[in-house]
Amino acid sequence: NAGVTQTPKFRVLKTGQSMTLLCAQDMNHEYMYWYRQDPGMGLRLIHYSVGEGTTAKGEVPDGYNVSRLKKQNFLLGLESAAPSQTSVYFCASSTDQGVADNEQFFGPGTRLTVL
Amino acid sequence: GEDVEQSLFLSVREGDSSVINCTYTDSSSTYLYWYKQEPGAGLQLLTYIFSNMDMKQDQRLTVLLNKKDKHLSLRIADTQTGDSAIYFCAAVSNSGYALNFGKGTSLLVTP
Repeated sequence: NAGVTQTPKFRVLKTGQSMTLLCAQDMNHEYMYWYRQDPGMGLRLIHYSVGEGTTAKGEVPDGYNVSRLKKQNFLLGLESAAPSQTSVYFCASSTDQGVADNEQFFGPGTRLTVL
Repeated sequence: GEDVEQSLFLSVREGDSSVINCTYTDSSSTYLYWYKQEPGAGLQLLTYIFSNMDMKQDQRLTVLLNKKDKHLSLRIADTQTGDSAIYFCAAVSNSGYALNFGKGTSLLVTP
């Protein structure tokens, strides 16, 4: 099992450019999440999904869109990147059948810099 | 929503015990979690405690939960340099699915 994988690992964008971050999991998890991690801010939830075809807003959704067309994939889009979106992005997945409810499995992260 | 607070830094000597503290605001979270993040990596679940427990021990790790004071702590016995990492406390958010994380405690273990 690869677990949770994220592509790309690193990316540099110019202000106004768009990009999509891909998250994939091979654990058949229902729930998937996108977080951003900034120094001194911990992890903040951007969007999440409780199943294929569903998405919901988290704590900091503005400037991002997501799609969950397939159960194993959760895409995070930036339509017009801004310097404030410079961050490390983590994807996670979970199942309510886990050892502990809501135990989340994390990907290795994507480091995004917006100039 | 749930607020989870942690101290930001802790430095200990190798072989000593480390205690990382966390407070939370919403007592309805069924489980409370400790995650570990090593440099350049994602978060990994370290341990968790069910909300009706006061204590959980797992090898060198001891989790204490004081529900009255909404206080959670993680004790690492015989701390090693490999324990240097960021430790996050987390509780279930209002969504019932996602987690609210504290800002993380950076643990530095010196020889």
